[in-house]
Amino acid sequence: GAVVSQHPSWVICKSGTSVKIECRSLDFQATTMFWYRQFPKQSLMLMATSNEGSKATYEQGVEKDKFLINHASLTLSTLTVTSAHPEDSSFYICSPAGGAGTPSSEAFFGQGTRLTVV
Amino acid sequence: QKEVEQDPGPLSVPEGAIVSLNCTYSNSAFQYFMWYRQYSRKGPELLMYTYSSGNKEDGRFTAQVDKSSKYISLFIRDSQPSDSATYLCAMSASGNQFYFGTGTSLTVIP
Repeated sequence: GAVVSQHPSWVICKSGTSVKIECRSLDFQATTMFWYRQFPKQSLMLMATSNEGSKATYEQGVEKDKFLINHASLTLSTLTVTSAHPEDSSFYICSPAGGAGTPSSEAFFGQGTRLTVV
Repeated sequence: QKEVEQDPGPLSVPEGAIVSLNCTYSNSAFQYFMWYRQYSRKGPELLMYTYSSGNKEDGRFTAQVDKSSKYISLFIRDSQPSDSATYLCAMSASGNQFYFGTGTSLTVIP
């Protein structure tokens, strides 16, 4: 399967600060990056879809100015949670897809980032 | 109606039991079906992958897809305490956009 590296795996930040989460696809070129959020005991909720070199498409209810996504290369995408608030505390997971060398049609995930805003 | 429905459980079984996990879906265009296992505070890891209808077996795990009923299942034989996790079903029409069930929390009691 594909190798996806996401970090940090765990971060605590103060309310009002920003946090950047990185996601790297190590062995294939990800033309598309999905970013998910998962609250405790709930499933993955798609936040946004980004394509390399273009602006991300955000799901309804997700603030694009709060969750900044950069997908400048085929192997790296970042999610920045700006002016974080306690309600942003969640588990964030990236999932790269598409592009040359994509192993198959199953989804691959990063290890996830647990964000706690205090 | 949600695209994918999955009973969240929790499900608790004794060690050695056969576990049956299920999902139903509404989109007849789905043709890629996956089961993921997710341990607490970890990203989901792919367990089983099936394309179109049919059965697939891998060790103690069997995945079944019934497209006519829009129903998929995951069976775990001889369940072990290490199988305790949340199991997510996922499906896709294009192989690019994925839809997930809510996940079923499973506990296998020694």
